[in-house]
Amino acid sequence: GQQLNQSPQSMFIQEGEDVSMNCTSSSIFNTWLWYKQDPGEGPVLLIALYKAGELTSNGRLTAQFGITRKDSFLNISASIPSDVGIYFCAGQESNSGYALNFGKGTSLLVTP
Amino acid sequence: DAGVTQSPTHLIKTRGQHVTLRCSPISGHKSVSWYQQVLGQGPQFIFQYYEKEERGRGNFPDRFSARQFPNYSSELNVNALLLGDSALYLCASTSGSPYNEQFFGPGTRLTVL
Repeated sequence: GQQLNQSPQSMFIQEGEDVSMNCTSSSIFNTWLWYKQDPGEGPVLLIALYKAGELTSNGRLTAQFGITRKDSFLNISASIPSDVGIYFCAGQESNSGYALNFGKGTSLLVTP
Repeated sequence: DAGVTQSPTHLIKTRGQHVTLRCSPISGHKSVSWYQQVLGQGPQFIFQYYEKEERGRGNFPDRFSARQFPNYSSELNVNALLLGDSALYLCASTSGSPYNEQFFGPGTRLTVL
């Protein structure tokens, strides 16, 4: 499958700060999704994006589907300690059924 | 509502053995996907099944096989285990049209010694 480029690889921030991470691909996707994974658990769906240019929020999280359909970003505002975890972007190509292609993840650490 | 369930939670096998992992999707979901996640990486797609038919297959050897049952639960089988098969195996249940969102179970941690 397509390997997505996700950055940064890790972030170490203070509680209350805003966070931004992004994902790029050499292929066009028709859907972008963002997941959060805690240690020893499966990924949890945070936000799903279906149209180029779409901007969607879920509480303190905001994500956008890039106009070129080859990128997406996720912002977290006013971070709190429970935001700690690994965030993954995932894309679905338009002609490969429904397989998800994942980035390598962004590890987020939040200090009180 | 119950989410995706997987069993067992942990498993230890030795090289050359066979393993079967099981998954039950969210009630009403008819599609199941399997992913392999090695430490430090994102999940890699293995299979997707819909209505008992294989709809997609990732770049994995023939030692990996799966099937889906009439109640939409699924099994992933891996033969002739290698050390490199040690990973977290994730099952995802798909919501169906129009969004086809995938919801993951907690995974099965497989260790091959």
